[in-house]
Amino acid sequence: EAGVAQSPRYKIIEKRQSVAFWCNPISGHATLYWYQQILGQGPKLLIQFQNNGVVDDSQLPKDRFSAERLKGVDSTLKIQPAKLEDSAVYLCASSSDETGVAENTIYFGEGSWLTVV
Amino acid sequence: AQTVTQSQPEMSVQEAETVTLSCTYDTSESDYYLFWYKQPPSRQMILVIRQEAYKQQNATENRFSVNFQKAAKSFSLKISDSQLGDAAMYFCAYSDYKLSFGAGTTVTVRA
Repeated sequence: EAGVAQSPRYKIIEKRQSVAFWCNPISGHATLYWYQQILGQGPKLLIQFQNNGVVDDSQLPKDRFSAERLKGVDSTLKIQPAKLEDSAVYLCASSSDETGVAENTIYFGEGSWLTVV
Repeated sequence: AQTVTQSQPEMSVQEAETVTLSCTYDTSESDYYLFWYKQPPSRQMILVIRQEAYKQQNATENRFSVNFQKAAKSFSLKISDSQLGDAAMYFCAYSDYKLSFGAGTTVTVRA
């Protein structure tokens, strides 16, 4: 079974530029998550999708971050314009539950490393 | 909001010895799940062990075991017979409808 795929793995941009990350979840997984992990900290949930609807985006900085999940499969996370403090690893994850039930294990991709200079 | 606290930023253990990582959490829910994830330098999050709050029996996965104290809201991880490959950052996580992480504990293994 293929895992969660993310691209690009590494990206360096200047502040005020834009960047987009792509995620392909495990086949059949209804729930998709984007986490931001700043160096030395635990991952912070940015947005959670169930199929193509948003379940939780309370910690997404909506003035500069946006995310979409078309057709309930792939997802894209965009940052525009980027700030220095956006430097982090962006982790995509998925789980098989359709109701957001906690018992289903969440599987993570390898992450997309962003450096803003 | 649920919070997860890991009070040990770093832990060091001799190869083949045992190390215990601490985790406490805050919740008003009675039904939830707890996890320990391992994150090597590659940043891939790997599930180590999970515990259902309604189960009194502590979870065990090979050399990894937990001590779950529901009343105390404590969830510690014990790594027995530590190996060099166990060196990584370990995150405690809590889930009811969304997964929240602690700040992590860096484990180093001395040869």
